[in-house]
Amino acid sequence: TQLLEQSPQFLSIQEGENLTVYCNSSSVFSSLQWYRQEPGEGPVLLVTVVTGGEVKKLKRLTFQFGDARKDSSLHITAAQPGDTGLYLCAVAWAGNMLTFGGGTRLMVKP
Amino acid sequence: EPEVTQTPSHQVTQMGQEVILRCVPISNHLYFYWYRQILGQKVEFLVSFYNNEISEKSEIFDDQFSVERPDGSNFTLKIRSTKLEDSAMYFCASTERHKNIQYFGAGTRLSVL
Repeated sequence: TQLLEQSPQFLSIQEGENLTVYCNSSSVFSSLQWYRQEPGEGPVLLVTVVTGGEVKKLKRLTFQFGDARKDSSLHITAAQPGDTGLYLCAVAWAGNMLTFGGGTRLMVKP
Repeated sequence: EPEVTQTPSHQVTQMGQEVILRCVPISNHLYFYWYRQILGQKVEFLVSFYNNEISEKSEIFDDQFSVERPDGSNFTLKIRSTKLEDSAMYFCASTERHKNIQYFGAGTRLSVL
């Protein structure tokens, strides 16, 4: 079983639409991170959520950490083609090794 | 803005050959990591390195793999005898302090033929 399950795996939408992607687990985490990875690049950290129920906003992106700290969501408002990419959630273990989910590959069509 | 740089961007090798993937972490960073991403699969942790020794390693990081910081700037990953299944993107990352944000390089695509 996967530690972090991300859904959906693929999402193709039109510019201007809203979307939500999910990161779920049966484990409880002290914190969870969201990354974005573009083709030919490494993952880039978007946000870290720490407190159960926490909501963080980054322009049109809204991140929420579940009350029980087992899951998280990323909501994008009015998606733009520049939002296209692979969205990854991750948790840090022990010495700081990151465990990633499988990712949601988002394509926003103009 | 400081960044982690990796060379080469693409390495093609024959099965059984040794490869060395190179990384230059951000200059004041002290913790270094290697991850890999097989095509279509998730990013997987390989190894972390601090104070000139391995601090954590995953099951993937077997005896065929080694890491080294040969000088004050480079951090290398060596695969002794490559296998077809070693084909993947290899990402280097670094952090300034323990449990800080990890900054990733653009990766080296390793193709084993």
